[in-house]
Amino acid sequence: ETGVTQTPRHLVMGMTNKKSLKCEQHLGHNAMYWYKQSAKKPLELMFVYNFKEQTENNSVPSRFSPECPNSSHLFLHLHTLQPEDSALYLCASSQGSGTTDTQYFGPGTRLTVL
Amino acid sequence: ELKVEQNPLFLSMQEGKNYTIYCNYSTTSDRLYWYRQDPGKSLESLFVLLSNGAVKQEGRLMASLDTKARLSTLHITAAVHDLSATYFCAVDRRTSGSRLTFGEGTQLTVNP
Repeated sequence: ETGVTQTPRHLVMGMTNKKSLKCEQHLGHNAMYWYKQSAKKPLELMFVYNFKEQTENNSVPSRFSPECPNSSHLFLHLHTLQPEDSALYLCASSQGSGTTDTQYFGPGTRLTVL
Repeated sequence: ELKVEQNPLFLSMQEGKNYTIYCNYSTTSDRLYWYRQDPGKSLESLFVLLSNGAVKQEGRLMASLDTKARLSTLHITAAVHDLSATYFCAVDRRTSGSRLTFGEGTQLTVNP
């Protein structure tokens, strides 16, 4: 247990569905991150939030919509996804400052888009 | 654009043997992380290396950083089956806060 939880752990959805992924951290961190992990590709940083403000969006398609209502919770809203969006979606958190800013990862949500 | 390359990508080794995983990166950075991922699990932080010449050891794993060569190594000593996992290096492109670029990962299998 890293102190970062994600729900659901597995999700199967059709291309016309709308769903949301949830991440919660219990570490008192100020920064939260969404990553995509596809087979045979490095982890890709999608979004970064610092103190609830989005500070990075790595050219992610608009069918992915993040939300950070407070420093402990992060959501990823999904709509009209494509089969190539099937992947493991990882959430992470960190202090958000300092020279040693280790990111702690949640267990991930395995998403399958049919 | 920061690029991070690991090699090898796949490593099969026998218990008791030694081996090294290499992580090269393309632009200047003073912070490098090593993570471990077991199948179906999340990433676990192993080491953070903060300066040139930094060396850290935990059990059978030792990590080092050469910022001038833009190279980090993860050395495995006398491997055991429990070390079987995928190992990622990640380079931070910021001096404060964290923005990680990951390598592709090295899938290590330790055979009895």
